Amino acid sequence: EADIYQTPRYLVIGTGKKITLECSQTMGHDKMYWYQQDPGMELHLIHYSYGVNSTEKGDLSSESTVSRIRTEHFPLTLESARPSHTSQYLCASRVTGVETQYFGPGTRLLVL
Amino acid sequence: EDQVTQSPEALRLQEGESSSLNCSYTVSGLRGLFWYRQDPGKGPEFLFTLYSAGEEKEKERLKATLTKKESFLHITAPKPEDSATYLCAVQATGTASKLTFGTGTRLQVTL
Repeated sequence: EADIYQTPRYLVIGTGKKITLECSQTMGHDKMYWYQQDPGMELHLIHYSYGVNSTEKGDLSSESTVSRIRTEHFPLTLESARPSHTSQYLCASRVTGVETQYFGPGTRLLVL
Repeated sequence: EDQVTQSPEALRLQEGESSSLNCSYTVSGLRGLFWYRQDPGKGPEFLFTLYSAGEEKEKERLKATLTKKESFLHITAPKPEDSATYLCAVQATGTASKLTFGTGTRLQVTL
Protein backbone atom coordinates (compact mmCIF):
# COMPACT_ATOMS: atom_id res chain seq x y z
CA GLU A 1 0.00 0.00 0.00
CA ALA A 2 1.44 3.34 -1.09
CA ASP A 3 1.53 6.12 1.50
CA ILE A 4 1.56 9.24 -0.62
CA TYR A 5 -0.67 12.19 0.13
CA GLN A 6 -1.81 15.22 -1.80
CA THR A 7 -3.59 18.33 -0.57
CA PRO A 8 -5.89 19.88 -1.37
CA ARG A 9 -7.89 17.26 -3.24
CA TYR A 10 -9.97 19.92 -4.98
CA LEU A 11 -9.26 23.61 -5.51
CA VAL A 12 -11.27 26.32 -7.21
CA ILE A 13 -9.39 29.58 -7.50
CA GLY A 14 -9.46 32.86 -9.41
CA THR A 15 -7.08 33.94 -12.14
CA GLY A 16 -3.86 35.52 -10.93
CA LYS A 17 -3.75 33.81 -7.54
CA LYS A 18 -0.65 32.04 -6.29
CA ILE A 19 -1.23 28.41 -5.32
CA THR A 20 0.84 25.57 -3.89
CA LEU A 21 -0.13 21.95 -4.30
CA GLU A 22 1.28 19.74 -1.57
CA CYS A 23 2.67 16.23 -1.95
CA SER A 24 4.13 14.14 0.85
CA GLN A 25 5.18 10.51 1.11
CA THR A 26 6.11 8.46 4.16
CA MET A 27 7.85 5.62 2.36
CA GLY A 28 11.32 7.16 2.31
CA HIS A 29 11.33 7.23 -1.49
CA ASP A 30 14.15 9.32 -2.94
CA LYS A 31 12.57 10.01 -6.34
CA MET A 32 9.38 12.05 -6.76
CA TYR A 33 7.36 13.19 -9.77
CA TRP A 34 4.57 15.55 -10.80
CA TYR A 35 2.24 14.66 -13.67
CA GLN A 36 -0.58 16.59 -15.31
CA GLN A 37 -3.64 14.76 -16.64
CA ASP A 38 -6.57 16.23 -18.57
CA PRO A 39 -9.83 14.21 -18.82
CA GLY A 40 -9.48 11.23 -21.16
CA MET A 41 -5.87 12.07 -21.89
CA GLU A 42 -2.54 10.52 -20.98
CA LEU A 43 -0.44 11.59 -18.03
CA HIS A 44 2.37 14.00 -18.86
CA LEU A 45 5.47 14.46 -16.70
CA ILE A 46 5.98 18.10 -15.71
CA HIS A 47 8.64 17.89 -12.96
CA TYR A 48 10.77 15.31 -11.21
CA SER A 49 13.32 15.10 -8.43
CA TYR A 50 16.04 12.56 -7.71
CA GLY A 51 16.54 13.71 -4.17
CA VAL A 52 16.91 16.70 -1.86
CA ASN A 53 17.88 19.89 -3.74
CA SER A 54 17.47 18.10 -7.10
CA THR A 55 14.68 19.13 -9.48
CA GLU A 56 14.26 18.82 -13.24
CA LYS A 57 11.62 19.81 -15.79
CA GLY A 58 9.70 17.07 -17.53
CA ASP A 59 8.53 16.74 -21.10
CA LEU A 60 5.45 18.93 -20.84
CA SER A 61 6.17 22.61 -20.66
CA SER A 62 4.74 23.99 -17.44
CA GLU A 63 4.66 27.41 -15.80
CA SER A 64 4.82 25.76 -12.41
CA THR A 65 7.87 25.41 -10.17
CA VAL A 66 8.85 22.77 -7.62
CA SER A 67 11.19 22.46 -4.67
CA ARG A 68 12.65 19.53 -2.73
CA ILE A 69 13.99 20.65 0.60
CA ARG A 70 13.00 17.50 2.47
CA THR A 71 12.97 13.93 1.16
CA GLU A 72 9.31 13.39 1.97
CA HIS A 73 7.94 16.66 0.60
CA PHE A 74 7.66 17.85 -3.04
CA PRO A 75 5.38 20.88 -3.41
CA LEU A 76 4.35 22.40 -6.75
CA THR A 77 3.70 26.14 -7.04
CA LEU A 78 1.89 28.24 -9.61
CA GLU A 79 2.83 31.92 -9.15
CA SER A 80 -0.14 33.22 -11.12
CA ALA A 81 -2.92 30.77 -11.92
CA ARG A 82 -4.66 30.93 -15.32
CA PRO A 83 -7.67 29.03 -16.74
CA SER A 84 -5.23 27.03 -18.92
CA HIS A 85 -3.84 25.53 -15.70
CA THR A 86 -7.16 23.79 -15.03
CA SER A 87 -6.31 20.09 -14.84
CA GLN A 88 -5.64 17.19 -12.50
CA TYR A 89 -2.19 17.13 -10.92
CA LEU A 90 -0.78 13.79 -9.78
CA CYS A 91 2.23 13.23 -7.56
CA ALA A 92 4.20 9.98 -7.61
CA SER A 93 7.27 8.52 -5.93
CA ARG A 94 9.60 5.54 -6.11
CA VAL A 95 12.78 4.28 -4.53
CA THR A 96 16.03 3.82 -6.40
CA GLY A 97 16.37 0.22 -7.60
CA VAL A 98 12.63 -0.32 -7.96
CA GLU A 99 11.16 1.08 -11.17
CA THR A 100 7.52 1.16 -10.08
CA GLN A 101 6.09 4.59 -9.34
CA TYR A 102 3.30 4.92 -6.77
CA PHE A 103 0.74 7.68 -7.17
CA GLY A 104 -1.13 9.94 -4.80
CA PRO A 105 -4.87 10.62 -5.08
CA GLY A 106 -4.39 13.78 -7.15
CA THR A 107 -5.46 17.41 -6.92
CA ARG A 108 -8.19 18.64 -9.24
CA LEU A 109 -7.59 22.32 -9.99
CA LEU A 110 -10.14 24.66 -11.54
CA VAL A 111 -9.02 28.19 -12.35
CA LEU A 112 -11.84 30.61 -13.09
CA GLU B 1 10.19 8.98 -29.67
CA ASP B 2 8.60 6.54 -27.24
CA GLN B 3 4.93 5.78 -27.95
CA VAL B 4 2.17 3.82 -26.24
CA THR B 5 -1.15 3.00 -27.92
CA GLN B 6 -3.96 1.31 -26.02
CA SER B 7 -6.98 -0.42 -27.52
CA PRO B 8 -9.86 -0.46 -27.39
CA GLU B 9 -10.56 3.04 -26.04
CA ALA B 10 -13.65 1.72 -24.28
CA LEU B 11 -14.96 -1.74 -23.55
CA ARG B 12 -18.26 -2.83 -22.11
CA LEU B 13 -18.51 -6.38 -20.74
CA GLN B 14 -21.14 -8.33 -18.96
CA GLU B 15 -20.21 -9.84 -15.64
CA GLY B 16 -18.33 -13.07 -16.29
CA GLU B 17 -17.46 -12.19 -19.90
CA SER B 18 -13.66 -12.49 -20.21
CA SER B 19 -11.66 -10.23 -22.52
CA SER B 20 -8.26 -8.65 -23.15
CA LEU B 21 -6.94 -5.12 -23.30
CA ASN B 22 -4.05 -4.30 -25.61
CA CYS B 23 -1.04 -2.02 -25.12
CA SER B 24 1.25 -1.57 -28.13
CA TYR B 25 4.51 0.24 -27.58
CA THR B 26 7.58 1.50 -29.40
CA VAL B 27 10.69 2.30 -27.39
CA SER B 28 14.38 2.35 -28.13
CA GLY B 29 14.93 -0.19 -25.37
CA LEU B 30 12.42 -1.37 -22.78
CA ARG B 31 13.33 -0.98 -19.14
CA GLY B 32 9.83 -1.80 -17.87
CA LEU B 33 6.14 -1.86 -18.78
CA PHE B 34 3.58 -0.93 -16.15
CA TRP B 35 -0.16 -1.45 -15.79
CA TYR B 36 -2.24 0.79 -13.55
CA ARG B 37 -5.91 0.99 -12.71
CA GLN B 38 -7.49 4.43 -12.34
CA ASP B 39 -10.91 5.12 -10.86
CA PRO B 40 -12.68 8.43 -11.69
CA GLY B 41 -11.20 11.35 -9.80
CA LYS B 42 -8.41 9.26 -8.24
CA GLY B 43 -4.75 8.60 -8.83
CA PRO B 44 -3.52 5.51 -10.71
CA GLU B 45 -3.26 2.35 -8.62
CA PHE B 46 -0.33 0.10 -9.44
CA LEU B 47 -1.15 -3.37 -10.80
CA PHE B 48 1.88 -4.95 -12.52
CA THR B 49 5.42 -4.36 -13.73
CA LEU B 50 6.79 -6.48 -16.60
CA TYR B 51 10.44 -6.34 -17.60
CA SER B 52 11.07 -8.79 -20.44
CA ALA B 53 9.27 -10.56 -23.28
CA GLY B 54 7.57 -13.73 -22.15
CA GLU B 55 7.01 -12.51 -18.61
CA GLU B 56 3.55 -12.93 -17.07
CA LYS B 57 2.06 -11.63 -13.82
CA GLU B 58 -1.27 -12.48 -12.21
CA LYS B 59 -3.45 -10.91 -9.55
CA GLU B 60 -6.95 -12.17 -8.83
CA ARG B 61 -8.91 -11.88 -12.13
CA LEU B 62 -6.13 -10.02 -13.95
CA LYS B 63 -3.19 -11.42 -15.89
CA ALA B 64 -0.62 -9.32 -17.73
CA THR B 65 1.62 -10.63 -20.49
CA LEU B 66 4.45 -9.05 -22.47
CA THR B 67 5.94 -9.50 -25.94
CA LYS B 68 8.56 -7.39 -27.71
CA LYS B 69 5.90 -5.13 -29.21
CA GLU B 70 2.85 -5.30 -26.97
CA SER B 71 1.33 -6.24 -23.67
CA PHE B 72 -2.07 -7.69 -22.90
CA LEU B 73 -4.13 -7.36 -19.77
CA HIS B 74 -6.45 -10.36 -19.63
CA ILE B 75 -9.54 -10.06 -17.44
CA THR B 76 -11.14 -13.37 -16.52
CA ALA B 77 -14.77 -13.46 -15.37
CA PRO B 78 -14.89 -9.74 -14.57
CA LYS B 79 -17.10 -8.26 -11.88
CA PRO B 80 -18.71 -4.79 -11.77
CA GLU B 81 -16.00 -3.65 -9.32
CA ASP B 82 -13.42 -4.17 -12.08
CA SER B 83 -14.92 -1.17 -13.90
CA ALA B 84 -12.19 1.47 -14.23
CA THR B 85 -9.73 2.93 -16.70
CA TYR B 86 -6.69 0.73 -17.21
CA LEU B 87 -3.47 2.58 -18.05
CA CYS B 88 -0.33 1.20 -19.65
CA ALA B 89 3.04 2.95 -19.38
CA VAL B 90 6.57 2.19 -20.54
CA GLN B 91 9.96 3.24 -19.31
CA ALA B 92 12.75 3.23 -21.88
CA THR B 93 16.37 2.57 -21.02
CA GLY B 94 18.38 5.70 -20.41
CA THR B 95 15.33 7.92 -19.86
CA ALA B 96 16.00 8.74 -16.24
CA SER B 97 12.86 6.97 -14.98
CA LYS B 98 10.47 8.88 -17.25
CA LEU B 99 7.23 7.01 -17.95
CA THR B 100 5.32 7.34 -21.22
CA PHE B 101 1.63 6.64 -20.76
CA GLY B 102 -1.14 5.57 -23.09
CA THR B 103 -4.57 7.18 -22.94
CA GLY B 104 -6.08 4.09 -21.30
CA THR B 105 -8.97 1.70 -21.85
CA ARG B 106 -12.22 2.54 -20.07
CA LEU B 107 -13.75 -0.72 -18.92
CA GLN B 108 -17.36 -1.02 -17.81
CA VAL B 109 -18.61 -4.32 -16.42
CA THR B 110 -22.37 -4.66 -16.11
CA LEU B 111 -24.55 -7.17 -14.28
